[in-house]
Formats: sequence, structure tokens, C-alpha cells
Amino acid sequence: DAKTTQPPSMDCAEGRAANLPCNHSTISGNEYVYWYRQIHSQGPQYIIHGLKNNETNEMASLIITEDRKSSTLILPHATLRDTAVYYCIVSPYNFNKFYFGSGTKLNVKP
Amino acid sequence: EAGVVQSPRYKIIEKKQPVAFWCNPISGHNTLYWYLQNLGQGPELLIRYENEEAVDDSQLPKDRFSAERLKGVDSTLKIQPAELGDSAVYLCASSPPTGSSYNEQFFGPGTRLTVL
Repeated sequence: DAKTTQPPSMDCAEGRAANLPCNHSTISGNEYVYWYRQIHSQGPQYIIHGLKNNETNEMASLIITEDRKSSTLILPHATLRDTAVYYCIVSPYNFNKFYFGSGTKLNVKP
Repeated sequence: EAGVVQSPRYKIIEKKQPVAFWCNPISGHNTLYWYLQNLGQGPELLIRYENEEAVDDSQLPKDRFSAERLKGVDSTLKIQPAELGDSAVYLCASSPPTGSSYNEQFFGPGTRLTVL
């Protein structure tokens, strides 16, 4: 029941900004956008979440379009350690049931 | 602070054999999740516990899979008998009590199961 669409893979040069898009055209008014990432051989790790305003933390920025049908996760200065699969998830706040989908494999290259 | 602990990290068994996975969540986290992750796909929820109660086990194949969280702390996921198609990574996650802030899910490293 994945409610999001993400490109299967993206490349980014080390030190440059990585912009990962996510389409969630059927998002409901009470659903938040969450981003997790999974580095090889590890469990997923929370990055950021938002409802309708742009959000920023120490890891990334989240830009949500005004109609909330899409969003972009921005890693401002990608490093080799950011190579991972990034999952965009929509879900009601604290609903505790995520559909991860297949995510975007981000390859950060030297 | 210790993270979510899972053991074993790797398990290889013959088909039709039983197998069990253990998870110790982060201290104080009352919600515990078991996920299944097939190669190249995202995690899929199998079961969610709130303390010792399984509040969502709709995706758990109950003919061969079982889980328990007897004292509301650590948990065991069992498969009996295992099938070839059960080869996957089994992830455990935990989250703190629901409150005013987002209850992030913290994942363990997973157990990679290979069924021969």
C-alpha cells in the first residue's frame, strides 16, 4: 500500500547537494511526510518529518510543496557516508504503521 | 544509550527447521515492531506490540510465524517450519511512549536468515 513514488536511484557528487524527490499525490490532510534512510547492512534511521511547512534539522531539509503532493529531501553537502536507500513515507502523526516502499538508492561519488 | 539489540545477526538453516530471533528494545520504549525485509525492498511490518499486547499482527503469517513479548520488554519471533521463501532480513524496532513529540522508530541491525 505504498502511497509514495520515488526514483529507484540517483547519483550525487561528494560535497554537492543531494535533492531526493518524492511524489505523494494522494496524501490526506492528516498525513505527515517522513524520511528514513538505510545504510547497507543497517536498520533504517529516521531523518526528518513534516506536515506542510519546510523543516530543517542537523541532517537535512525537507521541502513540501504548497499543495502537499510532493516533497524533496535535501542533503546540503553530501558525503560518501550518505550513500544509502532513502525512504519517503506518508502516515498520520504517530500512527506507527509505515509502508516503506522501495525507496531511492542514493550513490554519492567522490 | 544502547540501541536496539538483535541476535543472531546471521542464521542459516535447512528448510522445515524452526528458527527464532531475539530482540531487546531500547530501555523505556513500550512499542516494539518486527519487520521483514526482502532483498531490494523496503521493510514490511509483521507485528507491533504496545507493551506486551500485540496490537497489530494483521501481516503476520500465523500458520508458521509466532511472536511473543511476555514481560513487555524483549521479544522473540519464531518461524516453524521455515520455508525457502522466508530467506530475508528480520528487523526489530522500538519507539518511546506516544507523547507530544514524534515517536521515532529506532531500528536494530537485523537478522539475516538464509533457508537452504
